[in-house]
Amino acid sequence: GDSVTQMEGPVTLSEEAFLTINCTYTATGYPSLFWYVQYPGEGLQLLLKATKADDKGSNKGFEATYRKETTSFHLEKGSVQVSDSAVYFCALRGPSGGYQKVTFGTGTKLQVIP
Amino acid sequence: DVKVTQSSRYLVKRTGEKVFLECVQDMDHENMFWYRQDPGLGLRLIYFSYDVKMKEKGDIPEGYSVSREKKERFSLILESASTNQTSMYLCASSFSSAGTDTQYFGPGTRLTVL
Repeated sequence: GDSVTQMEGPVTLSEEAFLTINCTYTATGYPSLFWYVQYPGEGLQLLLKATKADDKGSNKGFEATYRKETTSFHLEKGSVQVSDSAVYFCALRGPSGGYQKVTFGTGTKLQVIP
Repeated sequence: DVKVTQSSRYLVKRTGEKVFLECVQDMDHENMFWYRQDPGLGLRLIYFSYDVKMKEKGDIPEGYSVSREKKERFSLILESASTNQTSMYLCASSFSSAGTDTQYFGPGTRLTVL
């Protein structure tokens, strides 16, 4: 079945540091890929998505590129802020689940210190 | 903006009690989902519904049932709560089953079973 693997956290960075959170996936066909963010005490919200190979999703300074050859969708940001502290989830929605089901990674907690 | 609301943010129940978790979305979405979120395990799908009165089992349906009598409302039922059902429960909805569709999440219900 489909699966998503993302790097273990927590990740602790100083403000203005460069961020990378790795995400790789296993899926049949051509899934859509997502990054969701969960701020403390809240539900998940979509950060960005990419629906086909070589697409780049971007939002709020975050970017991720859909790399089919390496089955990856790594999240990057050039300069993190304290307000970016949250848990980040990589996810996919693919044909093996009839596109109805979303498979999530285990989440990576990011803490940004001033 | 899409709004997904859950009936309670925090709930404490006793072993053996019947527990109802309610979720309402206000955007006429076809699909609704119930997940549980546990540390180190990410989000796991319990049940989802793609139409009124229709439901499909997710990855961990044991010990749970669901009800969708109206399009906007999706209920999760714990017939006889057990301590291993202590968790954060997240409801989500999406417009359709298209692979590119975003899921919109509620704020979550943290359930403690004593």
